[in-house]
Amino acid sequence: DGGITQSPKYLFRKEGQNVTLSCEQNLNHDAMYWYRQDPGQGLRLIYYSQIVNDFQKGDIAEGYSVSREKKESFPLTVTSAQKNPTAFYLCASSAQGGAMNTEAFFGQGTRLTVV
Amino acid sequence: QQPVQSPQAVILREGEDAVINCSSSKALYSVHWYRQKHGEAPVFLMILLKGGEQKGHEKISASFNEKKQQSSLYLTASQLSYSGTYFCGTEPRGSTLGRLYFGRGTQLTVWP
Repeated sequence: DGGITQSPKYLFRKEGQNVTLSCEQNLNHDAMYWYRQDPGQGLRLIYYSQIVNDFQKGDIAEGYSVSREKKESFPLTVTSAQKNPTAFYLCASSAQGGAMNTEAFFGQGTRLTVV
Repeated sequence: QQPVQSPQAVILREGEDAVINCSSSKALYSVHWYRQKHGEAPVFLMILLKGGEQKGHEKISASFNEKKQQSSLYLTASQLSYSGTYFCGTEPRGSTLGRLYFGRGTQLTVWP
């Protein structure tokens, strides 16, 4: 079955540590996205990528980094520079990042908690 | 550029109807609607394109007023399974195509 997979589902991080969240899709989608979700805030875009080896900052990119070395993979690193990283992180993909009317498919999310 | 959703929350009895609104300050290419159950991934419901198209999913339909940059989601004869948080995602003209701005969500609760 085609889909988008995030791992791990739950992640605990000590203050000062970097952690990497995995996102893999087998939908052959060009565009991939990382969102952060906090209670009452909706989904806020961290980074997005429309093509391999290229990505752009979203609205809240500070303290995060990404890479897009393969079409199917878009890992997100939460660095120690992110002051409030505890949140629910969602990865998404869509068929054509440069075209309209393409639905986004979401992964099941990773809940990150700083301890 | 975040769209504004209203109301923030709705409580219904099974079989009742509801309307959720989404308003943007920007001219839009399209509006997307998603539903999210607690702790799960958002699930796509429909896309509304410029031209005022109305689309449907189950007993859920939506409209898009391009001139007013507004979209409304209509839930008819609600079922228990409709409970969740509904998000609209807007695709502004002039921004990167495919990049969505999501509203804060409307929490819908349906009671038996």
